[in-house]
Amino acid sequence: DTEVTQTPKHLVMGMTNKKSLKCEQHMGHRAMYWYKQKAKKPPELMFVYSYEKLSINESVPSRFSPECPNSSLLNLHLHALQPEDSALYLCASSQDGAGLSSYNSPLHFGNGTRLTVT
Amino acid sequence: SQQGEEDPQALSIQEGENATMNCSYKTSINNLQWYRQNSGRGLVHLILIRSNEREKHSGRLRVTLDTSKKSSSLLITASRAADTASYFCATDRKYGGSQGNLIFGKGTKLSVKP
Repeated sequence: DTEVTQTPKHLVMGMTNKKSLKCEQHMGHRAMYWYKQKAKKPPELMFVYSYEKLSINESVPSRFSPECPNSSLLNLHLHALQPEDSALYLCASSQDGAGLSSYNSPLHFGNGTRLTVT
Repeated sequence: SQQGEEDPQALSIQEGENATMNCSYKTSINNLQWYRQNSGRGLVHLILIRSNEREKHSGRLRVTLDTSKKSSSLLITASRAADTASYFCATDRKYGGSQGNLIFGKGTKLSVKP
């Protein structure tokens, strides 16, 4: 089990649906991340939140909308997705946030949400 | 674009043997990290080596870093069936780019046969 909890574990949605992925950590980490991983590929960074503020958006399409309600929670809102968006969506956290020498901090990953868009 | 490139892409060994995976990267880095991923699960951090370090050990893991060659290796000694997983190296960018942009290599899929 990991200390980063992601829900749901599996999600099937149509292209017209709106859904949300949730991520929670209680380690006091100040940075949280969304990664997308296609089969047999490495994780690709989507968003980074540092101290609850969006610090990195890796040119992700607007049909993906991140939200960080507080330091423990991270959401990813999904709307009008395409079948090619089907993937494993991984949330991660690290101890320190942007602006410090902290990008040495290891990432702690959740087990992901397996998303299928039909 | 990918920063790290692992080789081999796949490695199959017998239990008890050692497994060596290599990672090459392109730009200057602050540190290099290795992660393991079991099928369909999240990644687990294994070890971090800073740019001013040359070698680091953790249990059965040994990591080396050669910044002049922009390469790193991960050695798993006395492998076990439970070591079967994909292994990724990950680097951050030292100059320019976005701070905190940890970039993962393509990974090595290790299979340890009992």
